[in-house]
Amino acid sequence: QKEVEQNSGPLSVPEGAIASLNCTYSDRGSQSFFWYRQYSGKSPELIMSIYSNGDKEDGRFTAQLNKASQYVSLLIRDSQPSDSATYLCAVYAGNNRKLIWGLGTSLAVNP
Amino acid sequence: SAVISQKPSRDICQRGTSLTIQCQVDSQVTMMFWYRQQPGQSLTLIATANQGSEATYESGFVIDKFPISRPNLTFSTLTVSNMSPEDSSIYLCSVWWTAGNTIYFGEGSWLTVV
Repeated sequence: QKEVEQNSGPLSVPEGAIASLNCTYSDRGSQSFFWYRQYSGKSPELIMSIYSNGDKEDGRFTAQLNKASQYVSLLIRDSQPSDSATYLCAVYAGNNRKLIWGLGTSLAVNP
Repeated sequence: SAVISQKPSRDICQRGTSLTIQCQVDSQVTMMFWYRQQPGQSLTLIATANQGSEATYESGFVIDKFPISRPNLTFSTLTVSNMSPEDSSIYLCSVWWTAGNTIYFGEGSWLTVV
């Protein structure tokens, strides 16, 4: 059974701090890794994708991938109250165009 | 990325009735998917909508309960049949975006069954 695991949270950080969200996956053949953000009452939106080991930066967001440890993380710098949402980790293993989803981590950024 | 529109965005339905959700994409896409997200839960794939053929259902989902149509490369429908309160959920249309090897979602359809 292919799995993606995330801490459910809630993760609470003060405004301006760095929020660190973590995700582990079980399938060593996984090729692509994604972070989606879902605000309450809204559908998920893609915020980051990463395919190679190392870091990928996009504005205040940095995705980190370590395939040897089967670990992917998302760092949010200078966290804002508007970042308060559930963050979903998704992994693509390369078959049937299906993503394997984590249960999501709830993030609360406190003013 | 594609622009994905879903209708209805929200509905309250009577037990035992059926509701059809429509999904329209602004460009042709090969693969479309239907997901369900129950309150407080993550995403569960219902089925892959195949153009011109029967949908491929995931374990636990059957065609009689969730019939799906895909008449062309830009449109699909999902029907939730004989609804019960357990069907109260968000239903999400999504498409596989080849350029990014990932999925984009429509706005979702929030169904409440009473």
